Amino acid sequence: KAGVTQTPRYLIKTRGQQVTLSCSPISGHRSVSWYQQTPGQGLQFLFEYFSETQRNKGNFPGRFSGRQFSNSRSEMNVSTLELGDSALYLCASSLGFGRSALLTSGGPSDEQFFGPGTRLTVL
Amino acid sequence: GDSVTQMEGPVTLSEEAFLTINCTYTATGYPSLFWYVQYPGEGLQLLLKATKADDKGSNKGFEATYRKETTSFHLEKGSVQVSDSAVYFCALSDRDNYGQNFVFGPGTRLSVLP
Repeated sequence: KAGVTQTPRYLIKTRGQQVTLSCSPISGHRSVSWYQQTPGQGLQFLFEYFSETQRNKGNFPGRFSGRQFSNSRSEMNVSTLELGDSALYLCASSLGFGRSALLTSGGPSDEQFFGPGTRLTVL
Repeated sequence: GDSVTQMEGPVTLSEEAFLTINCTYTATGYPSLFWYVQYPGEGLQLLLKATKADDKGSNKGFEATYRKETTSFHLEKGSVQVSDSAVYFCALSDRDNYGQNFVFGPGTRLSVLP
């Protein structure tokens, strides 16, 4: 089974530009989450998409947005890039469960599987 | 809200030494607990997991036990190798009315010297 793939692996942009990153989850996985990883802030949650809907969102400005397609592939967009946006952007996929399953005590665990990341450098 | 606390390191050990990386958490609902490992230049890989109290997760010689009474999930390995040098993340997965939340600790960098 193929793992999570992210494209591109490396990207160099200048301030003010915008960028789109892509993530293809493991086949059959419906949930895709995005994280930003920097040396200073560690791993920070951006948002999660499940069945084409944003289900959770972290504390990031509106310049960060995303979407998910019907085949579960996801894209993340950052507009008006700033120097501080330089980071490793990680995508993670999981099976994803509906609300009723999630609220069941002892219900299924839902580990995330990570892609290799996209290294974004903003100059 | 949910949170994960772990020793940030860096931790430097000699080969064959005993490893413990402490992890404690706060959560509501029914959390599952995980340890992930990140090797240089790569994404995170799931190392082990535990889904309920007293479960023990194990993989590649690493172990961690879900202790609900102390809200802890400490990672241990009896004899580390140079190849274990990496960053280790403790994480929890909790459920609420809106979905499933993953919360990661800050990561602990481990360096193993030959």
